Amino acid sequence: SQTIHQWPATLVQPVGSPLSLECTVEGTSNPNLYWYRQAAGRGLQLLFYSVGIGQISSEVPQNLSASRPQDRQFILSSKKLLLSDSGFYLCAWNFGRQETQYFGPGTRLLVL
Amino acid sequence: AQSVAQPEDQVNVAEGNPLTVKCTYSVSGNPYLFWYVQYPNRGLQFLLKYITGDNLVKGSYGFEAEFNKSQTSFHLKKPSALVSDSALYFCAVRDPGHYQLIWGAGTKLIIKP
Repeated sequence: SQTIHQWPATLVQPVGSPLSLECTVEGTSNPNLYWYRQAAGRGLQLLFYSVGIGQISSEVPQNLSASRPQDRQFILSSKKLLLSDSGFYLCAWNFGRQETQYFGPGTRLLVL
Repeated sequence: AQSVAQPEDQVNVAEGNPLTVKCTYSVSGNPYLFWYVQYPNRGLQFLLKYITGDNLVKGSYGFEAEFNKSQTSFHLKKPSALVSDSALYFCAVRDPGHYQLIWGAGTKLIIKP
């Protein structure tokens, strides 16, 4: 069966520091991968998605970036964090447009 | 513009009573419809989906949802609520031609003993 991992689970970072969040899917190959941010425990905002290695689509312009260096690895990065980057970051995967997206456990980021 | 509305910010139900969490959408064509649940500080868990076929879809934990094309709604229901059903519920819709899901803002469900 497939499993999705995210780390770290919790992160506290100062403003202006860099960021790297990692998402890895096990038990499958060539998944679609997604990064979401959830602010204040409510609505989800799609940040990036990837349908293959090196293919990244950005949904919202901001100081975050994403990379997919390996088939089952999706990384969310920032060179300089802002206070507004605080939130709950969720990674998800699926196959194709029809299939259900399955979510990882999330990373809670607090920027101080 | 494509959108999903969950008109109730919070729904309060007594344990044992039936519950309904509402969702309406504005997406062209024949969209795919999903419900997810989120417990505190956790990722989202898939409950059920409608792609095609029978308008009444059954999912996990005794939940079901009814697709109504004329009213563009996909309300989540459960005949008898449990305290453990208390969580945040999200409705999401996908245009079949796209990868992205369009999300509702979420409804907080509180089941009181």
